[in-house]
Amino acid sequence: AQSVAQPEDQVNVAEGNPLTVKCTYSVSGNPYLFWYVQYPNRGLQFLLKYITGDNLVKGSYGFEAEFNKSQTSFHLKKPSALVSDSALYFCAVRLIKAAGNKLTFGGGTRVLVKP
Amino acid sequence: KAGVTQTPRYLIKTRGQQVTLSCSPISGHRSVSWYQQTPGQGLQFLFEYFSETQRNKGNFPGRFSGRQFSNSRSEMNVSTLELGDSALYLCASSLGSGTNNYGYTFGSGTRLTVV
Repeated sequence: AQSVAQPEDQVNVAEGNPLTVKCTYSVSGNPYLFWYVQYPNRGLQFLLKYITGDNLVKGSYGFEAEFNKSQTSFHLKKPSALVSDSALYFCAVRLIKAAGNKLTFGGGTRVLVKP
Repeated sequence: KAGVTQTPRYLIKTRGQQVTLSCSPISGHRSVSWYQQTPGQGLQFLFEYFSETQRNKGNFPGRFSGRQFSNSRSEMNVSTLELGDSALYLCASSLGSGTNNYGYTFGSGTRLTVV
């Protein structure tokens, strides 16, 4: 079985400050890892993914994430947060060798960026 | 190219009724996965269809079913609706399925309210 934990329900940060959203995962094998963002009454928008190679992944809107295999973590970071980054963020995992496309999501972290 | 289209965007149904939701994937994509999003349970995988065949199924009762047509459009059906079925239903479109697929595009979802 695979699982994803996002330990913080909400993260508050002042505009211009660094933003970190934490994610740890548990899988029996090598994972694909993803970050998605959701705005109210919308679907999930893709931010970035880790497939293989460089552990530091750069994505959309200035976000990046670092894959840490030993700590089974994939934290999302942004050096300088914007008010428009306020949204719900989801981390997801899938086994590379899975027979199918099932994603397992974390519970989500609400980010509130204050002006 | 057009994105993932889910219809309708909003639905209100009465307990005991049934409902059918539709998802049209990106042109050329052959996999459609469905997810249920609720405040309490988060994002949960319902099922995946690939080339008209159900490839994976999540842990949902038999009242939840789906199918995929030859043009890759997918429908999901929920029979005998319960209040707890109120949720945002999201579909994800992918080109392929399994090991070599790691691209997912989500639709905006169908918001189902059961009264």
